[in-house]
Amino acid sequence: EPEVTQTPSHQVTQMGQEVILRCVPISNHLYFYWYRQILGQKVEFLVSFYNNEISEKSEIFDDQFSVERPDGSNFTLKIRSTKLEDSAMYFCATVGLAGFTDTQYFGPGTRLTVL
Amino acid sequence: QKEVEQDPGPLSVPEGAIVSLNCTYSNSAFQYFMWYRQYSRKGPELLMYTYSSGNKEDGRFTAQVDKSSKYISLFIRDSQPSDSATYLCAMSLPTQGGSEKLVFGKGTKLTVNP
Repeated sequence: EPEVTQTPSHQVTQMGQEVILRCVPISNHLYFYWYRQILGQKVEFLVSFYNNEISEKSEIFDDQFSVERPDGSNFTLKIRSTKLEDSAMYFCATVGLAGFTDTQYFGPGTRLTVL
Repeated sequence: QKEVEQDPGPLSVPEGAIVSLNCTYSNSAFQYFMWYRQYSRKGPELLMYTYSSGNKEDGRFTAQVDKSSKYISLFIRDSQPSDSATYLCAMSLPTQGGSEKLVFGKGTKLTVNP
């Protein structure tokens, strides 16, 4: 069964450093998402991406965050200058079809630890 | 009022019990209603999704939606120790860009004891 993959599984970084989290979506999927989950809290929507553009972003997704699909396969989330409060699990999710007939399939996540 | 409310538990039941998990919501714009299972430090795994009010059954799992009451449930029959996990309800919300975003409940931690 096709699945979403994410790398790295765990990233440790110093505050102020840049990190790039990578996701390989399910082949032929068109919509891509990033969510995060701070330990013990809800899974929260960060951003959706379609046709090489951001479709929607949450208020969490400020200027320190960016997304891109540099090579048509990987989907990346960059945090320019990490803060302690960015420590969380980051999940990539993908959807095959537009509209209301499909659902989001999640990757295993990247655990980001900011020291 | 929070958009999606879910009792975090924890919930502990003996093997073979029927488990009932519930969420309430306040936003009438939610379109699809989903249940995900999440093991510790893993990604959410889709269990079931429904669109309309009513019941949907898949093996030992039944998802129920009552849009008039803004209430959804997941029932697990003949629960097994392998069902021990955190169960997340999620609801989809259309976005301006034509995609959807999911709004999650906090999750209910379930333990099924042998």
